[in-house]
Amino acid sequence: GESVGLHLPTLSVQEGDNSIINCAYSNSASDYFIWYKQESGKGPQFIIDIRSNMDKRQGQRVTVLLNKTVKHLSLQIAATQPGDSAVYFCAEKSGGQNFVFGPGTRLSVLP
Amino acid sequence: GAVVSQHPSWVICKSGTSVKIECRSLDFQATTMFWYRQFPKQSLMLMATSNEGSKATYEQGVEKDKFLINHASLTLSTLTVTSAHPEDSSFYICSARVPWGGGELFFGEGSRLTVL
Repeated sequence: GESVGLHLPTLSVQEGDNSIINCAYSNSASDYFIWYKQESGKGPQFIIDIRSNMDKRQGQRVTVLLNKTVKHLSLQIAATQPGDSAVYFCAEKSGGQNFVFGPGTRLSVLP
Repeated sequence: GAVVSQHPSWVICKSGTSVKIECRSLDFQATTMFWYRQFPKQSLMLMATSNEGSKATYEQGVEKDKFLINHASLTLSTLTVTSAHPEDSSFYICSARVPWGGGELFFGEGSRLTVL
Protein backbone atom coordinates (compact mmCIF):
# COMPACT_ATOMS: atom_id res chain seq x y z
CA GLY A 1 0.00 0.00 0.00
CA GLU A 2 0.95 3.63 -0.15
CA SER A 3 3.08 5.29 2.48
CA VAL A 4 1.40 8.12 4.28
CA GLY A 5 3.50 10.12 6.67
CA LEU A 6 2.20 11.82 9.78
CA HIS A 7 4.80 14.52 10.23
CA LEU A 8 7.49 15.29 7.74
CA PRO A 9 11.05 14.97 9.03
CA THR A 10 12.98 18.15 8.46
CA LEU A 11 16.57 18.68 7.42
CA SER A 12 18.08 22.10 7.91
CA VAL A 13 21.32 22.98 6.15
CA GLN A 14 23.36 26.11 5.72
CA GLU A 15 23.39 27.66 2.30
CA GLY A 16 26.41 26.40 0.40
CA ASP A 17 26.70 23.17 2.38
CA ASN A 18 25.92 19.77 0.97
CA SER A 19 22.60 18.09 1.81
CA ILE A 20 21.95 14.41 2.18
CA ILE A 21 18.36 13.18 2.21
CA ASN A 22 17.74 9.56 3.04
CA CYS A 23 15.02 7.12 2.16
CA ALA A 24 14.45 3.53 3.25
CA TYR A 25 12.42 1.51 0.80
CA SER A 26 10.39 -1.53 1.60
CA ASN A 27 10.45 -3.94 -1.32
CA SER A 28 13.66 -5.78 -2.16
CA ALA A 29 12.19 -6.51 -5.60
CA SER A 30 11.96 -2.81 -6.47
CA ASP A 31 13.99 -2.15 -9.57
CA TYR A 32 13.51 1.52 -10.29
CA PHE A 33 13.68 4.57 -8.06
CA ILE A 34 12.97 8.25 -8.53
CA TRP A 35 13.56 11.33 -6.40
CA TYR A 36 11.00 14.13 -6.58
CA LYS A 37 11.04 17.70 -5.31
CA GLN A 38 7.79 19.30 -4.28
CA GLU A 39 7.50 22.99 -3.58
CA SER A 40 4.59 24.34 -1.61
CA GLY A 41 1.32 24.23 -3.54
CA LYS A 42 2.85 22.54 -6.55
CA GLY A 43 3.03 19.05 -7.97
CA PRO A 44 6.15 16.90 -7.50
CA GLN A 45 8.97 17.59 -9.90
CA PHE A 46 11.23 14.83 -11.25
CA ILE A 47 14.84 15.26 -10.10
CA ILE A 48 16.77 12.10 -10.85
CA ASP A 49 16.21 8.38 -11.21
CA ILE A 50 18.24 5.21 -10.80
CA ARG A 51 17.78 1.59 -11.72
CA SER A 52 18.58 -1.29 -9.44
CA ASN A 53 21.54 -2.37 -11.56
CA MET A 54 23.35 0.82 -10.57
CA ASP A 55 24.77 2.05 -7.27
CA LYS A 56 25.20 5.69 -8.12
CA ARG A 57 23.98 8.22 -10.61
CA GLN A 58 24.90 11.85 -10.93
CA GLY A 59 23.04 14.80 -12.28
CA GLN A 60 23.56 18.51 -12.08
CA ARG A 61 24.42 19.18 -8.43
CA VAL A 62 22.57 16.03 -7.40
CA THR A 63 23.72 12.47 -6.82
CA VAL A 64 21.58 9.47 -6.00
CA LEU A 65 23.09 6.51 -4.19
CA LEU A 66 21.42 3.12 -3.97
CA ASN A 67 22.32 0.47 -1.42
CA LYS A 68 20.28 -2.62 -2.21
CA THR A 69 21.77 -4.59 0.66
CA VAL A 70 20.07 -2.41 3.24
CA LYS A 71 17.32 -1.08 0.95
CA HIS A 72 18.47 2.47 1.27
CA LEU A 73 18.38 5.36 -1.15
CA SER A 74 19.93 8.77 -0.69
CA LEU A 75 19.88 12.07 -2.51
CA GLN A 76 22.88 14.33 -2.22
CA ILE A 77 22.60 17.97 -3.18
CA ALA A 78 25.86 19.84 -3.58
CA ALA A 79 26.21 23.48 -2.61
CA THR A 80 22.63 23.75 -1.39
CA GLN A 81 20.85 26.90 -2.45
CA PRO A 82 17.72 28.66 -1.09
CA GLY A 83 15.82 27.45 -4.14
CA ASP A 84 16.41 23.89 -3.02
CA SER A 85 14.08 24.37 -0.06
CA ALA A 86 11.20 21.97 -0.63
CA VAL A 87 9.87 18.57 0.32
CA TYR A 88 11.72 15.67 -1.25
CA PHE A 89 10.10 12.29 -1.90
CA CYS A 90 11.64 9.03 -2.98
CA ALA A 91 9.54 6.64 -5.04
CA GLU A 92 10.11 2.95 -5.74
CA LYS A 93 8.65 0.73 -8.42
CA SER A 94 8.58 -3.03 -8.27
CA GLY A 95 7.05 -4.47 -11.41
CA GLY A 96 3.58 -3.37 -12.38
CA GLN A 97 2.92 0.28 -12.94
CA ASN A 98 2.56 1.80 -9.52
CA PHE A 99 5.15 3.74 -7.63
CA VAL A 100 5.19 3.73 -3.84
CA PHE A 101 6.20 7.01 -2.26
CA GLY A 102 8.16 7.59 0.89
CA PRO A 103 6.88 9.96 3.59
CA GLY A 104 8.99 12.85 2.36
CA THR A 105 11.65 15.05 3.94
CA ARG A 106 11.41 18.81 4.22
CA LEU A 107 14.67 20.55 3.35
CA SER A 108 15.15 24.01 4.80
CA VAL A 109 18.10 26.05 3.61
CA LEU A 110 19.37 28.56 6.14
CA PRO A 111 20.94 31.83 4.96
CA GLY B 1 11.13 16.09 -19.91
CA ALA B 2 7.47 15.44 -20.35
CA VAL B 3 4.71 17.85 -19.43
CA VAL B 4 1.57 16.96 -17.53
CA SER B 5 -0.97 19.69 -17.01
CA GLN B 6 -3.85 19.91 -14.57
CA HIS B 7 -6.85 22.19 -14.61
CA PRO B 8 -8.10 23.93 -12.61
CA SER B 9 -5.25 24.76 -10.25
CA TRP B 10 -7.64 25.90 -7.57
CA VAL B 11 -11.36 25.49 -7.18
CA ILE B 12 -13.82 26.47 -4.48
CA CYS B 13 -17.26 24.92 -4.52
CA LYS B 14 -20.34 24.61 -2.38
CA SER B 15 -21.09 21.46 -0.49
CA GLY B 16 -23.19 19.08 -2.58
CA THR B 17 -21.89 20.15 -5.94
CA SER B 18 -19.61 18.16 -8.24
CA VAL B 19 -16.20 19.25 -9.41
CA LYS B 20 -14.23 17.99 -12.39
CA ILE B 21 -10.44 18.09 -12.56
CA GLU B 22 -8.62 17.49 -15.82
CA CYS B 23 -5.21 15.92 -16.32
CA ARG B 24 -3.54 16.18 -19.70
CA SER B 25 -0.29 14.81 -21.05
CA LEU B 26 0.80 17.59 -23.39
CA ASP B 27 3.62 16.06 -25.38
CA PHE B 28 3.13 12.33 -25.08
CA GLN B 29 0.44 9.72 -25.01
CA ALA B 30 -0.32 8.09 -21.70
CA THR B 31 -2.29 4.89 -21.59
CA THR B 32 -2.14 5.05 -17.83
CA MET B 33 -2.49 7.99 -15.50
CA PHE B 34 -2.62 8.09 -11.73
CA TRP B 35 -4.61 10.20 -9.33
CA TYR B 36 -3.35 11.10 -5.88
CA ARG B 37 -4.63 12.95 -2.90
CA GLN B 38 -2.30 14.82 -0.60
CA PHE B 39 -3.08 16.15 2.85
CA PRO B 40 -0.99 18.92 4.39
CA LYS B 41 2.48 17.81 5.40
CA GLN B 42 1.87 14.29 4.18
CA SER B 43 3.00 12.15 1.32
CA LEU B 44 1.04 11.30 -1.79
CA MET B 45 -1.81 8.85 -1.39
CA LEU B 46 -2.66 6.93 -4.54
CA MET B 47 -6.39 7.01 -5.15
CA ALA B 48 -6.73 5.22 -8.45
CA THR B 49 -5.06 4.16 -11.67
CA SER B 50 -6.75 5.53 -14.75
CA ASN B 51 -6.61 3.29 -17.82
CA GLU B 52 -7.40 4.60 -21.28
CA GLY B 53 -10.49 2.96 -22.68
CA SER B 54 -11.29 0.92 -19.60
CA LYS B 55 -12.41 1.29 -16.02
CA ALA B 56 -10.15 2.81 -13.46
CA THR B 57 -8.60 0.70 -10.74
CA TYR B 58 -9.29 2.13 -7.31
CA GLU B 59 -7.19 1.71 -4.20
CA GLN B 60 -8.72 0.18 -1.12
CA GLY B 61 -10.88 2.61 0.76
CA VAL B 62 -11.44 4.97 -2.17
CA GLU B 63 -15.11 5.28 -3.10
CA LYS B 64 -15.65 4.68 -6.80
CA ASP B 65 -18.96 6.49 -6.87
CA LYS B 66 -17.49 9.44 -5.06
CA PHE B 67 -14.43 9.89 -7.23
CA LEU B 68 -15.36 9.23 -10.83
CA ILE B 69 -12.47 8.75 -13.20
CA ASN B 70 -12.71 8.84 -16.95
CA HIS B 71 -9.79 8.28 -19.32
CA ALA B 72 -11.40 8.87 -22.67
CA SER B 73 -8.28 9.55 -24.71
CA LEU B 74 -4.56 8.91 -24.58
CA THR B 75 -3.90 12.44 -23.38
CA LEU B 76 -6.75 13.17 -21.01
CA SER B 77 -7.99 11.76 -17.74
CA THR B 78 -10.62 13.44 -15.58
CA LEU B 79 -11.43 13.10 -11.90
CA THR B 80 -14.90 14.16 -10.81
CA VAL B 81 -15.56 14.61 -7.13
CA THR B 82 -19.29 14.04 -6.84
CA SER B 83 -21.48 15.64 -4.20
CA ALA B 84 -18.45 17.22 -2.62
CA HIS B 85 -18.30 17.79 1.13
CA PRO B 86 -15.84 19.78 3.23
CA GLU B 87 -13.90 16.61 4.08
CA ASP B 88 -13.13 16.23 0.37
CA SER B 89 -11.12 19.43 0.49
CA SER B 90 -7.60 18.49 -0.43
CA PHE B 91 -4.79 18.78 -2.95
CA TYR B 92 -5.37 16.41 -5.86
CA ILE B 93 -2.47 15.52 -8.13
CA CYS B 94 -2.30 13.45 -11.29
CA SER B 95 0.66 11.79 -12.92
CA ALA B 96 1.43 9.94 -16.11
CA ARG B 97 4.18 7.58 -17.17
CA VAL B 98 6.14 8.37 -20.28
CA PRO B 99 6.26 5.55 -22.84
CA TRP B 100 10.02 5.72 -23.20
CA GLY B 101 13.12 5.10 -21.12
CA GLY B 102 12.38 3.79 -17.67
CA GLY B 103 8.80 4.94 -17.77
CA GLU B 104 9.42 7.91 -15.53
CA LEU B 105 6.43 9.33 -13.74
CA PHE B 106 5.68 13.00 -14.35
CA PHE B 107 3.22 14.97 -12.27
CA GLY B 108 0.72 17.69 -12.93
CA GLU B 109 0.79 20.93 -11.00
CA GLY B 110 -1.92 19.80 -8.65
CA SER B 111 -5.45 21.05 -8.04
CA ARG B 112 -6.49 22.45 -4.69
CA LEU B 113 -10.14 21.79 -3.91
CA THR B 114 -11.90 23.71 -1.17
CA VAL B 115 -15.45 22.70 -0.38
CA LEU B 116 -17.44 25.20 1.65
